[in-house]
Amino acid sequence: DTGVSQDPRHKITKRGQNVTFRCDPISEHNRLYWYRQTLGQGPEFLTYFQNEAQLEKSRLLSDRFSAERPKGSFSTLEIQRTEQGDSAMYLCASSLARAADGYTFGSGTRLTVV
Amino acid sequence: QKEVEQNSGPLSVPEGAIASLNCTYSDRGSQSFFWYRQYSGKSPELIMSIYSNGDKEDGRFTAQLNKASQYVSLLIRDSQPSDSATYLCAVVMAGANNLFFGTGTRLTVIP
Repeated sequence: DTGVSQDPRHKITKRGQNVTFRCDPISEHNRLYWYRQTLGQGPEFLTYFQNEAQLEKSRLLSDRFSAERPKGSFSTLEIQRTEQGDSAMYLCASSLARAADGYTFGSGTRLTVV
Repeated sequence: QKEVEQNSGPLSVPEGAIASLNCTYSDRGSQSFFWYRQYSGKSPELIMSIYSNGDKEDGRFTAQLNKASQYVSLLIRDSQPSDSATYLCAVVMAGANNLFFGTGTRLTVIP
């Protein structure tokens, strides 16, 4: 499989619980991005990694959110103390070297906080 | 002003017609432009990229870029019902390391 993989596809959690999502990028891609998308909106940038280094974080990435890419391969996005406003599709994408190369998106993780 | 603006639609065209989707962007220094297609409940899929002024054609799709007017468009010829989706415009702005997306235009092709 040469695509971007995300797990799980769906997650329902109770408010206040912690959740963690995983993303496996295309193997030769150095850059990995996390976005959030709510209904009727375009994807909003959260953070990106160049190999294992997290190089940029959006203002949207509050202190309840943390992302890692420990070995420069897969990445995890953790949300602590989830809130109903965190309900969204969380999208992972990867690119070869630069954003200008274009992204390949994974299938996303749909989070519902009840 | 938003970084990337699109008419949210919905845009309805009959099957076989040309669908025209438009996008404007705020940063004059932007260099890379993309169109993504997103079916309901699915993730975005890259369909076109364009970097230079003018037209770029790929099958039934043509992307048009006018940097002076800060305008990028997507034409879909011979529209098919399977083209019904939301089309997202995305831009890499000067000095940025990520794509900025518009809110998308929802296209419906009527059989």
